[in-house]
Order: sequence, then structure tokens, then C-alpha cells
Amino acid sequence: KNEVEQSPQNLTAQEGEFITINCSYSVGISALHWLQQHPGGGIVSLFMLSSGKKKHGRLIATINIQEKHSSLHITASHPRDSAVYICAVTLPPWGGGADGLTFGKGTHLIIQP
Amino acid sequence: DTEVTQTPKHLVMGMTNKKSLKCEQHMGHRAMYWYKQKAKKPPELMFVYSYEKLSINESVPSRFSPECPNSSLLNLHLHALQPEDSALYLCASSQIYLANYGYTFGSGTRLTVV
Repeated sequence: KNEVEQSPQNLTAQEGEFITINCSYSVGISALHWLQQHPGGGIVSLFMLSSGKKKHGRLIATINIQEKHSSLHITASHPRDSAVYICAVTLPPWGGGADGLTFGKGTHLIIQP
Repeated sequence: DTEVTQTPKHLVMGMTNKKSLKCEQHMGHRAMYWYKQKAKKPPELMFVYSYEKLSINESVPSRFSPECPNSSLLNLHLHALQPEDSALYLCASSQIYLANYGYTFGSGTRLTVV
């Protein structure tokens, strides 16, 4: 069982629509990350959350620690938002060091004009 | 400087070649990572360096050899690779020992083994 589950796997929407991508995880975490990857490109970190809500431009990310669930919202979506959105978690540093990210499988978002 | 720089961006190599991938950051991050990403899959962790010491090796074949010469530089030496090793190789960096540390990724090296 994957420790990080994302839904939907694929999402096609029209320009201007409100987009929601969901992420659930099954383990205790230090933080949850939302990442963006354009085709053939590197990864850009959008948000890092350990509680509550963060907003950056048209993007909003929320996390509910008790329910082990996070959502990424895009308001007034635009074709340039088309990308793969990846949810990832950092596990608690039991050893006190860096352990890398545990990734979900990603959501492939296409925004049509 | 808030970037992780990876070179080269593209690399084609034969199965008998020896090549190296380079990653550099000047943000003072003391953890650096190599990830491998196949098409339409999430990245897979390969190696983690903490304070220039190898702390995690995710059972990566010995044909991949990491090196961290100093706190700003991370190399991945490649030798006798197989075609199935063709992938996007991503470098990332982060702080350590903070409750919530963010990651910065490089743009990757697209490797093709022929």
C-alpha cells in the first residue's frame, strides 16, 4: 500500500474552472509538500505545510493533520497551469537527519482554453 | 542564490562510457539528494548526503557512484550503465534538523543510455 495517495490521477478542465486535487497519507509526517512538474521539466516546490492553510496567488493548499488529508486548489485555472501536481511527505526525523521525500503518484492536470 | 543547478541538461552515453552528473547549490543547505524519475512515474530516491556524508543509499546498483566533495557540490558518477537506466536524474537540497524544511529541486539531467 502506497503511503501517499492522490486523486484524481488525471483531470481535464476548462479555463477558469476551480480545481481541487486531494492527497491522503497513512503515516505520521513532519510536513506535506505540493510540487509542480511541467512535461520534461524539473520540479518546483509550491507549498510546504505542517498545519492550516497557505495561499500563493491563485493556489491554495490546506492540510488536516487529524484526518491525514491535504488539498491543493487552483482558482481561475489557466492553460499554463497544465502540469503534473505531486503530493509528497517528509517523515519525522527519527534519526535526526534528512530522509528524502515520499511521493504520491501525481495528478496530471490539463486546462483547456 | 536560491537555485539548484544541474549539468548537463541532456546526456547520451554508451554502455561502456564513464560520465558524471553535477549538482551545485549555494543556499547553505546541508542535505543533498539524488532522485531518478522514469516517464510518468514519481521520483525514486537514490542517495542522501547529510553534512557531506552518505546517509542513505536506497540499494542503488554500484554502476551509480555518488560523491559529495564539499557542502555545495554533489556528483553522480556513471559507469557501465544499461538502457533501462535512461531517465531524468533530479538533484535536490534542503536544510536538516529543522521541523519543517523545504526542498529545492534542480531542473534535472535527461540521460539516455544507448
